[in-house]
Amino acid sequence: AQSVTQLGSHVSVSEGALVLLRCNYSSSVPPYLFWYVQYPNQGLQLLLKYTSAATLVKGINGFEAEFKKSETSFHLTKPSAHMSDAAEYFCAVSVQGGSQGNLIFGKGTKLSVKP
Amino acid sequence: DSGVTQTPKHLITATGQRVTLRCSPRSGDLSVYWYQQSLDQGLQFLIQYYNGEERAKGNILERFSAQQFPDLHSELNLSSLELGDSALYFCASSVDMGGDSSYGYTFGSGTRLTVV
Repeated sequence: AQSVTQLGSHVSVSEGALVLLRCNYSSSVPPYLFWYVQYPNQGLQLLLKYTSAATLVKGINGFEAEFKKSETSFHLTKPSAHMSDAAEYFCAVSVQGGSQGNLIFGKGTKLSVKP
Repeated sequence: DSGVTQTPKHLITATGQRVTLRCSPRSGDLSVYWYQQSLDQGLQFLIQYYNGEERAKGNILERFSAQQFPDLHSELNLSSLELGDSALYFCASSVDMGGDSSYGYTFGSGTRLTVV
């Protein structure tokens, strides 16, 4: 069965610092992996996705993520944080069928950016 | 605008009541998913419909039901409401062609339900 673990429910960085949000997955088949962002009082927006092409995936707003099969990880990074990056970030892995729908989401990591 | 439309945006109702949440998927998307988001439970998958038929069921209570209509819009019905049902309810849609889950989802902006 597929699952997603996001390490750290809250991450705080200073403006201009590196952002690193961790995601580890468990999957018995090659996964599709996604990062979503949720700004306050809004729905989830797709940041980027890995679908078995390039292992380094670039997304919107300067974010990128690297698929590492050996580490079963898909960590999200951004070289320099902006105040506008403050939001909650969700990692998700796709499944086919089953009772959990097509995407299984992690519990989310809330990113705070300090001036 | 994501293309997924949810109405109403806010809903306040009393315990024991019944409400209906509506979702119009993005044009061309055949699958609709309903999620409940609360502070303590996080994002919980409720149910999926594909082209009018139920495809997957998650942690949906028996008091809740959903359907997808021929025009592909979907409704989530919540009855005998309890205080604990207060949450954000999201609808998402996807192309989901042939079960291909690589497209990901497009989310609506949600309905905030408050049960008093």
